[in-house]
Amino acid sequence: DGGITQSPKYLFRKEGQNVTLSCEQNLNHDAMYWYRQDPGQGLRLIYYSQIVNDFQKGDIAEGYSVSREKKESFPLTVTSAQKNPTAFYLCASTLGQGAIYEQYFGPGTRLTVT
Amino acid sequence: KQEVTQIPAALSVPEGENLVLNCSFTDSAIYNLQWFRQDPGKGLTSLLLIQSSQREQTSGRLNASLDKSSGRSTLYIAASQPGDSATYLCEEDPGNTPLVFGKGTRLSVIA
Repeated sequence: DGGITQSPKYLFRKEGQNVTLSCEQNLNHDAMYWYRQDPGQGLRLIYYSQIVNDFQKGDIAEGYSVSREKKESFPLTVTSAQKNPTAFYLCASTLGQGAIYEQYFGPGTRLTVT
Repeated sequence: KQEVTQIPAALSVPEGENLVLNCSFTDSAIYNLQWFRQDPGKGLTSLLLIQSSQREQTSGRLNASLDKSSGRSTLYIAASQPGDSATYLCEEDPGNTPLVFGKGTRLSVIA
């Protein structure tokens, strides 16, 4: 079955520690995205990548970093510089850019930093 | 900056009712508009995608319409069921910039 996997489902970290969230897709999609979702808010774009070895900042990139060394993988690192990291993180992908392409989402990772 | 607004923020209806969820967007030059469903603590599931050249899309009991000139889309759910209870999000693809999401409408269908 094709899809997007995110691991782990729940993640707990102490303040000041960096943490990396995994996102893997076997859909052969070119574009991948990371969003953050907070209660009562819409999804906010952190980073996106349209092709391997290339990525762009979204609306709230400060305190986050990404890499795109393989087409299937787009890990997100939440650094200690992120002031309020506790949130639900969603990874998504699309086959390409254009009107016909749906966005597919992973199941999400809930990060709690104390 | 493009914005997507969803009204109402929450809706509660008795089982069997037909209902309409609303989405408005500021950019009329969109590529497409997509409706998603999100269950608590889960990712988003795509329901319907309407390309800019289309007026509506249908899937089972769901029908989504798109009116670019007025900047509005509606998601119609026929004969609602308790299993339809979820948050429904609308997303606009402006084409040359990242996607824009609404905050969602939280639907409760009461048996």
